[in-house]
Amino acid sequence: EAGVTQFPSHSVIEKGQTVTLRCDPISGHDNLYWYRRVMGKEIKFLLHFVKESKQDESGMPNNRFLAERTGGTYSTLKVQPAELEDSGVYFCASSQFRLAGDLTSYNEQFFGPGTRLTVL
Amino acid sequence: AQSVTQLGSHVSVSEGALVLLRCNYSSSVPPYLFWYVQYPNQGLQLLLKYTSAATLVKGINGFEAEFKKSETSFHLTKPSAHMSDAAEYFCAVSDHGSSNTGKLIFGQGTTLQVKP
Repeated sequence: EAGVTQFPSHSVIEKGQTVTLRCDPISGHDNLYWYRRVMGKEIKFLLHFVKESKQDESGMPNNRFLAERTGGTYSTLKVQPAELEDSGVYFCASSQFRLAGDLTSYNEQFFGPGTRLTVL
Repeated sequence: AQSVTQLGSHVSVSEGALVLLRCNYSSSVPPYLFWYVQYPNQGLQLLLKYTSAATLVKGINGFEAEFKKSETSFHLTKPSAHMSDAAEYFCAVSDHGSSNTGKLIFGQGTTLQVKP
């Protein structure tokens, strides 16, 4: 079974340009998460999809970031326009669905290799 | 709100020596705790997890961690380090409270160096 894949693996863009990152979760995983690690800092949550719906986007830095998951399969994260502080590694993770309110189970999050974004 | 603190951004041990990576957490609900490892140019891989069952959790590659509620700790250990253990290790707590998103809150990461 294929794991979580992300494209591209690296992206170098100029400030003000647009970049779109893509994540393909494991087939059948309803939960999809985006995280980001800025150099020297911890990995931080950006947002969470359940199928095609945004469950939690409390970690999105600002309105220059737009995430979509049309059809509940792959997801894209667009940064427009990119700023220097957007540089970092963007991780995607997926997990199976867990019933709301079910605190007795946990579905492991499987991570992709990340996309390293450099904004010059 | 949950938070995680990893003590020591870099840890260096000799091959064959004990590995101890420290993690302390803060959580308003009974925590779910995890250790992930990231090898160079790879994604994060789950080493082990604590989800309110046994307090001593065994993971892959000979690692284990002990949940100590009184100390709010979840330190990662391995009796004998191998060169292949050199990687970055992340402790994380799951946000499974009222929001129930399951998002992970990570510590700052600890880079483990293993010397021959």
